Amino acid sequence: QSALTQPASVSGSPGQSITISCTGTSSDVGSYNLVSWYQHHPGKAPKLMIYEASKRPSGVSNRFSGSKSGNTASLTISGLQAEDEADYFCSSYAGSSTWVFGGGTKLTVL
Amino acid sequence: QLQLQESGPGLVKPSETLSLTCTVSGGSISSSSYYWGWIRQSPGKGLEWIGNIYYSGNTYYNPSLRSRVTISVDTSKSQFSLRVSSVTAADTAVYFCATYTTSWAAFDYWGQGTLVTVSS
Repeated sequence: QSALTQPASVSGSPGQSITISCTGTSSDVGSYNLVSWYQHHPGKAPKLMIYEASKRPSGVSNRFSGSKSGNTASLTISGLQAEDEADYFCSSYAGSSTWVFGGGTKLTVL
Repeated sequence: QLQLQESGPGLVKPSETLSLTCTVSGGSISSSSYYWGWIRQSPGKGLEWIGNIYYSGNTYYNPSLRSRVTISVDTSKSQFSLRVSSVTAADTAVYFCATYTTSWAAFDYWGQGTLVTVSS
């Protein structure tokens, strides 16, 4: 069970869109639509932003969207705002009642 | 709304056992809708799933940690606990407890995390 691969950092200017990738294998991301994304401001509790690859919990801005193709899932944030600056983690079901997380991506809003 | 709070020692000596407790409020730890999980983040690294427990006591562990990890639940206290034995510096991390909601297949409620340092 290896960690999912995410870029270490991404950046964008306010109003722009950015996409964070999350690459797994055919044993996790590629086999299940059970990918979730979390926003984490250090020192605070992580927040669920996307579940089942593309669904948004109530209360999460529609500026956040998710997708999946093959072994790679993606999180897109449109209309970047300063408050979006945070760490973002992906997670996937990996079979046999186990889960795997990504290494995390630090989003900087320029 | 569910609230989770981790508690336990912030410093553990190498080779000893790390013990943490997560207290659940705002909902029932005996709900069939949830699993209760532990996740950690080592300094400068990503998140690592440690394991989950169901209110019935069924447990599910990360294969890489299975031999050293025990998760238990005390429904009478609305708490679930984590024990990691034979710790080393590599176990230094912020430990989070979280709720895994089956209908969403995601961890939707998290504690703020507690830093555990392994050092003599």
